[in-house]
Amino acid sequence: GQNIDQPTEMTATEGAIVQINCTYQTSGFNGLFWYQQHAGEAPTFLSYNVLDGLEEKGRFSSFLSRSKGYSYLLLKELQMKDSASYLCAVRGNYGGSQGNLIFGKGTKLSVKP
Amino acid sequence: NAGVTQTPKFQVLKTGQSMTLQCAQDMNHEYMSWYRQDPGMGLRLIHYSVGAGITDQGEVPNGYNVSRSTTEDFPLRLLSAAPSQTSVYFCASSYDLAGGQETQYFGPGTRLLVL
Repeated sequence: GQNIDQPTEMTATEGAIVQINCTYQTSGFNGLFWYQQHAGEAPTFLSYNVLDGLEEKGRFSSFLSRSKGYSYLLLKELQMKDSASYLCAVRGNYGGSQGNLIFGKGTKLSVKP
Repeated sequence: NAGVTQTPKFQVLKTGQSMTLQCAQDMNHEYMSWYRQDPGMGLRLIHYSVGAGITDQGEVPNGYNVSRSTTEDFPLRLLSAAPSQTSVYFCASSYDLAGGQETQYFGPGTRLLVL
């Protein structure tokens, strides 16, 4: 079956670093995405990993280990505006299309002063 | 470019009513999809389309129909609304199905309440 797990909620302090983990079991793998979703808004793209290793983009980094079915999103120098839900999604052979994404339930991050 | 647009933003229906949620994109994307998002459930795929004239079912297709007569438009029809269809609906599109880091772009969502 298809399964993507991530913590439901996390809390961190402004200026700190937080790591959001994601583990997955899917039929086929063609990339892993992280999205940010503020309350009441649409998800927006943050990062993409298809090969093992770390991808860095400003304050945000994402890591992938395909052999372990594991990824994490690292947020540095946290700001209040980073309070949002973070969605892990895997693109695989779900539903017979390699374009479909399977989403985790999201991690709600609260950044406190 | 307007990106992905959805109408209406909010809708209240009575049980048994039918309606169509509109979705349009102006990016010439081949792939379009509909998701519903419920508290504690994450985004779940309802239907998707890999091009004009081609549609297929996702994880939760029951009670919904779609069609894709043009590249730009991908409407979602609720045949007979039920309270279980109360949700936030997102339409998304992307240029390529499985190529590289081509991400899906999401519309602003439609919030539907079925009484």
